Amino acid sequence: KNEVEQSPQNLTAQEGEFITINCSYSVGISALHWLQQHPGGGIVSLFMLSSGKKKHGRLIATINIQEKHSSLHITASHPRDSAVYICAVTNYGGSQGNLIFGKGTKLSVKP
Amino acid sequence: DVKVTQSSRYLVKRTGEKVFLECVQDMDHENMFWYRQDPGLGLRLIYFSYDVKMKEKGDIPEGYSVSREKKERFSLILESASTNQTSMYLCASSLVGRGKLFFGSGTQLSVL
Repeated sequence: KNEVEQSPQNLTAQEGEFITINCSYSVGISALHWLQQHPGGGIVSLFMLSSGKKKHGRLIATINIQEKHSSLHITASHPRDSAVYICAVTNYGGSQGNLIFGKGTKLSVKP
Repeated sequence: DVKVTQSSRYLVKRTGEKVFLECVQDMDHENMFWYRQDPGLGLRLIYFSYDVKMKEKGDIPEGYSVSREKKERFSLILESASTNQTSMYLCASSLVGRGKLFFGSGTQLSVL
């Protein structure tokens, strides 16, 4: 069983829809990261959080430490949001390089 | 903004060649990482470095080595490239601790 599970694997939405991507993990963590990867490869870090909620523009990330679960929400989705969204965790007590990645959620937003 | 620069966007090499992938960051980050990304497998850590001349093996170090002679530069070396090393290679950096990751744009390596 993977230590970081994302759902769904693939998601197609219509422009304007509210989108939720989920991430569950099974290890103790010190931080959780949400990353965005557009076609062509470049990865951008969207959020790093260890508790509560963070918001940046139309993106909102939440984490529930007790339930070992995080969600990434996109409000008023747009075709430019089409990308792969990756959840990663920093394993508590692990070495600094020990990030554990989910396999990603491929989002496609249709106009 | 932090800039992480990878030397090549696309690279084609022959089996058995020695391959160097270079990564440079401009924000004095202590940590630097090399990942490979393959369809269905996600990102996997090859090596990381937390200081000059310091390195630790990641999940898949076999067939790779690294060099960090200066803080801003982290090189990935394929001693004798093989076809199963065809992949997207991504470099990243962060401040020490649990800092936000900054990624390069990636190098798509094809080994023929």
